[in-house]
Amino acid sequence: AAGVIQSPRHLIKEKRETATLKCYPIPRHDTVYWYQQGPGQDPQFLISFYEKMQSDKGSIPDRFSAQQFSDYHSELNMSSLELGDSALYFCASSFRQGLSGELFFGEGSRLTVL
Amino acid sequence: AQTVTQSQPEMSVQEAETVTLSCTYDTSESDYYLFWYKQPPSRQMILVIRQEAYKQQNATENRFSVNFQKAAKSFSLKISDSQLGDAAMYFCAYRGEYNFNKFYFGSGTKLNVKP
Repeated sequence: AAGVIQSPRHLIKEKRETATLKCYPIPRHDTVYWYQQGPGQDPQFLISFYEKMQSDKGSIPDRFSAQQFSDYHSELNMSSLELGDSALYFCASSFRQGLSGELFFGEGSRLTVL
Repeated sequence: AQTVTQSQPEMSVQEAETVTLSCTYDTSESDYYLFWYKQPPSRQMILVIRQEAYKQQNATENRFSVNFQKAAKSFSLKISDSQLGDAAMYFCAYRGEYNFNKFYFGSGTKLNVKP
């Protein structure tokens, strides 16, 4: 079965550079979530989209932005990168009207800022 | 606001034995979902088991079962016949029935399985 696809899996950037992460949800899923997980931390919610509209916002820095496109894939753009942005970034998707209520996670994109 | 608390940062179990991971949560909603996710080191989170709050029967998935106490707002995970592959971080999570955008995680419990 198709899963949530994230790219790239690994990314190394310098401070003050820009990074873009991509997420392709499971087909027919209409909601996408972005989470940031620092070393030894639980996932922190950044932002979510439902039907291409931002549906909720968490602890996302102003330097970050995201959007969901017409094909439901989403991109997380991070500018002016800081050392503290080094983390595992997870994308998750769900079908809002589904009965299961669960999120399906991608394998994550590991960002290292040097 | 909803909160999820996992009071055990780390636990160990002998292979083939049983271990219980604790989770409590706080909510004012009457309908919601509870989940346990497993996360091997540097890997994606995988759903282990799910419980709908309106169901009184505890969910079971093979060697994994939960003890859901709605009044006490407790949702523990029991792993029977522990295997080496069960070693991972386990996150308890909550999702409201009506506020689908909110998905709250606990801080996680690291499970070590000793051969």
